[in-house]
Amino acid sequence: AQKVIQVWSTTSRQEGEKLTLDCSYKTSQVLYHLFWYKHLLSGEMVLLIRQMPSTIAIERSGRYSVVFQKSRKSISLVISTLQPDDSGKYFCALWEPNQGGSAKLIFGEGTKLTVSS
Amino acid sequence: NSKVIQTPRYLVKGQGQKAKMRCIPEKGHPVVFWYQQNKNNEFKFLINFQNQEVLQQIDMTEKRFSAECPSNSPCSLEIQSSEAGDSALYLCASSLGWGGPYEQYFGPGTRLTVL
Repeated sequence: AQKVIQVWSTTSRQEGEKLTLDCSYKTSQVLYHLFWYKHLLSGEMVLLIRQMPSTIAIERSGRYSVVFQKSRKSISLVISTLQPDDSGKYFCALWEPNQGGSAKLIFGEGTKLTVSS
Repeated sequence: NSKVIQTPRYLVKGQGQKAKMRCIPEKGHPVVFWYQQNKNNEFKFLINFQNQEVLQQIDMTEKRFSAECPSNSPCSLEIQSSEAGDSALYLCASSLGWGGPYEQYFGPGTRLTVL
């Protein structure tokens, strides 16, 4: 079963709009972290924001912010004032500990965003 | 910006051929991960290393895939006998540590096409 679910596979917006990308996750772990990455057309994966369950519900990094609802196991990425350069694919990822302490990320399927000017 | 370097960017192989791709992790990052992103944009973890030692790998990696991170040389992922289903984007990532949620920084990927 999928552990990280991004409902929208594609979405389009106009420049200047505000966008919310939803992500839900499944975990039975107490210690886990969540990440939002942007996959550029060049192939590069850029880390946008990291959310720890113990911290406040809203984290910000420039025009990016997240709304974290721990009890609902939901983390939404909010991009304010969209620009054409925001076009790309956005991935939500869950880190949870494994036996032996190794680290890996579980990704959602991603949401492709197109921003028109 | 990430400085994880992956080569080549594109790789085309026939079925049964070997396919080898390389990754230079970000300076100072001892942990390296390999992921496969298929045409459905699903990410699959393949293997990870700390320095030269394998930490964890999936069964697929154990059978047809081989990977190493030799000292003072690029890490590599090699498919011994390529199959059509191996066509995918292979992403390398590096991080400062493991056992904790260290951020993983990704390279641009190697897109493998198996004809």
